[in-house]
Amino acid sequence: EADIYQTPRYLVIGTGKKITLECSQTMGHDKMYWYQQDPGMELHLIHYSYGVNSTEKGDLSSESTVSRIRTEHFPLTLESARPSHTSQYLCASNANRESELSGNTIYFGEGSWLTVV
Amino acid sequence: KNQVEQSPQSLIILEGKNCTLQCNYTVSPFSNLRWYKQDTGRGPVSLTIMTFSENTKSNGRYTATLDADTKQSSLHITASQLSDSASYICVVSDRGSTLGRLYFGRGTQLTVWP
Repeated sequence: EADIYQTPRYLVIGTGKKITLECSQTMGHDKMYWYQQDPGMELHLIHYSYGVNSTEKGDLSSESTVSRIRTEHFPLTLESARPSHTSQYLCASNANRESELSGNTIYFGEGSWLTVV
Repeated sequence: KNQVEQSPQSLIILEGKNCTLQCNYTVSPFSNLRWYKQDTGRGPVSLTIMTFSENTKSNGRYTATLDADTKQSSLHITASQLSDSASYICVVSDRGSTLGRLYFGRGTQLTVWP
């Protein structure tokens, strides 16, 4: 059972509002990720982090920002939400060691469904 | 271009029957291949992870195979149950970067009918 948690699970907000999606893991993982997934489509990496004070943009351009002040916490923020941001956001983590090359498990949170109206 | 293609896009089977899902990839250099199960509205859950040297791996009623030469993988589900209804996602990782880039397929949507 994965110890990675996302809040809120579901959120409906108005255009122009600022929102923060929370992600926490209690496994001591260094690597954390944010993915965006539209219904029936593949996951797209939008942000990742190797550890505290490390943040990088992923493959899919996103207007969101992230921070990594603590190992266990990787929040994602949208300063001004728009309807085009409506999607599911998935947080994930795994251990930062060379065993990644041999396939250590990546754990996903339950996802945050964001609807911007 | 690194890609992961899954087939079929969707599949309906009767409870108790077996099924096989396919995954073809062009990711290079290859590191590992994972199969995930994603229930509707939930996050993906890992089923199997296979590296270059592994040809088959089982997890209960799930058996994954890997042919690294032809760059194909399959996920076989035995004696399907209603709870197997979900999207099954094939994920391939490369070893060309420190991050170990993940390439996701779009998934096969499996529906098991009683």
